[in-house]
Formats: sequence, C-alpha cells, structure tokens
Amino acid sequence: DTGVSQDPRHKITKRGQNVTFRCDPISEHNRLYWYRQTLGQGPEFLTYFQNEAQLEKSRLLSDRFSAERPKGSFSTLEIQRTEQGDSAMYLCASNQAVKGGELFFGEGSRLTVL
Amino acid sequence: AQRVTQPEKLLSVFKGAPVELKCNYSYSGSPELFWYVQYSRQRLQLLLRHISRESIKGFTADLNKGETSFHLKKPFAQEEDSAMYYCALSPRDNYGQNFVFGPGTRLSVLP
Repeated sequence: DTGVSQDPRHKITKRGQNVTFRCDPISEHNRLYWYRQTLGQGPEFLTYFQNEAQLEKSRLLSDRFSAERPKGSFSTLEIQRTEQGDSAMYLCASNQAVKGGELFFGEGSRLTVL
Repeated sequence: AQRVTQPEKLLSVFKGAPVELKCNYSYSGSPELFWYVQYSRQRLQLLLRHISRESIKGFTADLNKGETSFHLKKPFAQEEDSAMYYCALSPRDNYGQNFVFGPGTRLSVLP
C-alpha cells in the first residue's frame, strides 16, 4: 500500500463545468476525509465518511458539492457548475476510527477554474 | 466550535538557534492536539501529537490547558526543518473527530 492516492493531481477547467476528484484511502482505514486548502490557509474541513456513511458536512460544502463513498473504499468529490472561488487544493485523508487517530493525507488535487 | 490560531505566518531563524512556533486553541471539551508538517513538494504528514509526549526530529510540544496553547519547540534549528507547520485539534470527547487546522506557519531556517 503506497498510502492515500488522489486523482487527478491537477485539473484546469472553465467556469460552469463539472469536475470530479477521486481518493483511494489506505486500505484498512474506515474513515475518509475531504479538506480544501487555499493559498496561505490551513486545510479546511469539508466532509468525512465512516465506511460508506457520510457523517459530517461543513457549511462550506455548498449544494454544488457532493461527495460519495459508495462501497466504503474509494471516494469521489464532485463540484458542479464550478466557480473561480472553487480554485483550491482538495486534500483527502484517511484514518482508523479510534479516538486520537492520526490523519494520513494524499498529495492533493489542485483545481484551477478559469 | 473549535478553533486553532497560529499568530506567525512566517518565522525565520538561523541554523542552530532555538525555534518556537506558537499555537493557541479554543475548545470547550477535551482536545487532542497535533502538529503536522509539510516539506517542499511533499504531502502533509504528522510530526507529533500531544498524547504520545514524544520528541520527533528534536521537536517537542507541551499542551498547556490553562493557556490553551500547544507551542512547538526545538532547541537547535536545522536547515532541513524549513517547512510549513500546521497545528491541529481533534475533539477527544466527540466521536465525530473533525480535525481543525490552524492557518500554518512557514519556518525558514537560514544557513
């Protein structure tokens, strides 16, 4: 297992288009998190799953954003009708559901909306 | 709601000098605090966590509940310590485990 992997690493799109990012967590991890990071800021929580259940969503996650983890393994984050303000690094992380569990991050998917 | 602040965006020190990266938090419950580091062109990774009370790469951090702080310290900085450092909080008494990150401090260790 090479760790958390994300695809694509970079995405350039035009405003109004839809984009989808994929995250493959570490195989034995049942929790998966999505964060967004903009320049000069720390990661901002978007949502997280335990197995296939989406347990928490941030208010940052507008109705244009949807995340799924259908079989409790990989996850997708879709952004519909992208806006320039969506340009950011989208980070995925995973861990085991124990209190105090360390987060393991992927390398991120950088989105640029023109 | 939990919040993490890091007052310094950039901290520059000379090699061999002591370094302290500040972190303050607000949370009404029982927190677990972490320091994550991101070296150039690498992914975000855990540096240390307060419950393990370890020294990693010469760094230590002590949780001060009275001052709600978790400052990161190293007595003698090395050039390879140059990186972005993020303080993070996770509520230990909330099964939700939503990790909240501070804005980060860029540490630059000068030769």
